[in-house]
Amino acid sequence: EQQVQQSPASLVLQEAENAELQCSFSIFTNQVQWFYQRPGGRLVSLLYNPSGTKQSGRLTSTTVIKERRSSLHISSSQITDSGTYLCAMERTNYGSSGNKLIFGIGTLLSVKP
Amino acid sequence: EAGVTQSPRYAVLQEGQAVSFWCDPISGHDTLYWYQQPRDQGPQLLVYFRDEAVIDNSQLPSDRFSAVRPKGTNSTLKIQSAKQGDTATYLCASSLGGSAETLYFGSGTRLTVL
Repeated sequence: EQQVQQSPASLVLQEAENAELQCSFSIFTNQVQWFYQRPGGRLVSLLYNPSGTKQSGRLTSTTVIKERRSSLHISSSQITDSGTYLCAMERTNYGSSGNKLIFGIGTLLSVKP
Repeated sequence: EAGVTQSPRYAVLQEGQAVSFWCDPISGHDTLYWYQQPRDQGPQLLVYFRDEAVIDNSQLPSDRFSAVRPKGTNSTLKIQSAKQGDTATYLCASSLGGSAETLYFGSGTRLTVL
């Protein structure tokens, strides 16, 4: 069972358009994180957002924990925003120290000139 | 500050061969993770350490995979007898105290098993 679901699977935008990416969880979590990955590149953390709204530059994440969902809004998209956006939830490792991240499959974003 | 370093960058094997991946985490990070990322999928946790101790290896195929972090710094992930289904990118990440806010990933090792 995929515990983290992301939509859409892929998205094509014209430069300067906005994007809204969605993430939902099948189990409860209290921490959500968004990552970016260019093809062949390393995963880079974009926003760590346990709840509410967080902004970093043109990125805004909104997490509603009780509804088990999070979204990532990209405003005024640029060609360099192209890549895969992954959502991850933190799952508490009960009985042990430390937690672990469960990732979704990602949304592949392509921004065209 | 140096990031998480992994080597090799690529590996190509025949089925049945062995391979080792090496990871050097960020200095001072006590928690180290190994993830497997098949093509067009999200990373899946294989094992993670706090210092030299294994915290969770429940997703590590123990019959063929092993991971160690003997001094609580560098780590090695080994596949004893590779299968085609092991084809994936193997990612190492480190953090301070297991905090997701300080989590950094390496560039990964892309493994192809023929």
